[in-house]
Amino acid sequence: AQKVTQAQTEISVVEKEDVTLDCVYETRDTTYYLFWYKQPPSGELVFLIRRNSFDEQNEISGRYSWNFQKSTSSFNFTITASQVVDSAVYFCAPRDNFNKFYFGSGTKLNVKP
Amino acid sequence: EAGVTQFPSHSVIEKGQTVTLRCDPISGHDNLYWYRRVMGKEIKFLLHFVKESKQDESGMPNNRFLAERTGGTYSTLKVQPAELEDSGVYFCASSQVAGNYNEQFFGPGTRLTVL
Repeated sequence: AQKVTQAQTEISVVEKEDVTLDCVYETRDTTYYLFWYKQPPSGELVFLIRRNSFDEQNEISGRYSWNFQKSTSSFNFTITASQVVDSAVYFCAPRDNFNKFYFGSGTKLNVKP
Repeated sequence: EAGVTQFPSHSVIEKGQTVTLRCDPISGHDNLYWYRRVMGKEIKFLLHFVKESKQDESGMPNNRFLAERTGGTYSTLKVQPAELEDSGVYFCASSQVAGNYNEQFFGPGTRLTVL
């Protein structure tokens, strides 16, 4: 089984600020997969990014970037130049070798104009 | 292409009643998953179908929950009888291939309120 901790329950920023969402996970698996999903007010879960455990290269995709550090079991997600439309609940979700997601409790992001 | 759809979007029932939730996956997706988020807690896995077969139902909380996927298309999740602690949001997801790197597409969820 895996465990996920998203210590930030709620974050508020002003538009155009950068914001980093923290995620720390626990797993006994040697290979696993890490995802971030976004839940806007409409309710559905929207896929954002994914990373496998043997690839620690950090990347940037548009305004999104992530910092995966296996040594500290962290998979942090950063939004650059935040926008009001980024307001949502963000979930970090490792997935094990049996296709099960283990979701964190979510971080609610409020981006104010 | 239509995404994963769930019906109803919201259901309010009384304790002891029966409720059936429906999920229509993306066409052609053999894999279908149910998750739920009970108030204030994490989203948790319930079960996984591959076509019409239950691949993994280890997350089903108890025998009051029955999931079916007749014909390998849409799926239903029945709660009978419903209890107060069943209140929450029930998500359905589907994927084309069950490989670990494959994205699961989620529906908007059904919010269940048991009074």
